[in-house]
Amino acid sequence: GESVGLHLPTLSVQEGDNSIINCAYSNSASDYFIWYKQESGKGPQFIIDIRSNMDKRQGQRVTVLLNKTVKHLSLQIAATQPGDSAVYFCAENSDRGSTLGRLYFGRGTQLTVWP
Amino acid sequence: ETGVTQTPRHLVMGMTNKKSLKCEQHLGHNAMYWYKQSAKKPLELMFVYSLEERVENNSVPSRFSPECPNSSHLFLHLHTLQPEDSALYLCASSQGAGSEQFFGPGTRLTVL
Repeated sequence: GESVGLHLPTLSVQEGDNSIINCAYSNSASDYFIWYKQESGKGPQFIIDIRSNMDKRQGQRVTVLLNKTVKHLSLQIAATQPGDSAVYFCAENSDRGSTLGRLYFGRGTQLTVWP
Repeated sequence: ETGVTQTPRHLVMGMTNKKSLKCEQHLGHNAMYWYKQSAKKPLELMFVYSLEERVENNSVPSRFSPECPNSSHLFLHLHTLQPEDSALYLCASSQGAGSEQFFGPGTRLTVL
């Protein structure tokens, strides 16, 4: 099967700094990508998504970059805050023509923000 | 809140017990999912229901039995579980292809 993975299992940043979380995928047919945030004791929450016809998409304090050439996805968090501490997952969808949003998840990166 | 609720939030059961997990979505979605989340592993998709019909079963042991009586409710019936089945069980729903899935808070299951 296809794999979605993360380069680093943990990331520690100082409050106020920018964070970059990376993700690699192997299915060149993937056309939709999502970043989720999972806080302790909660289910994953949607952060931002991007389709394969885009290279960059910005949200509030977050930016997702997609490099289809090297099959790489990144999530940038500006001015990281303690509330950003969580596990971040990337997920990809490659079910072309499917009626379902079947997602493949990476292992997750634990982001820790220290004062 | 994401619009997806799960009960119970925590469950401890013995290997001979029978229990059920419940999920309800208030989003009008047409697909629902069960995932298993174990420590240090990616989310594992267990079952997918579309329009109340099971369309995917990822080689899940028969001791897990899903049920989807309508598009808003999803159950996971558990019987004769093993300690290695202890995990966080997450329910999600979505609408259409290539759309985000909304997750519930999960049920933390411990099998003794």
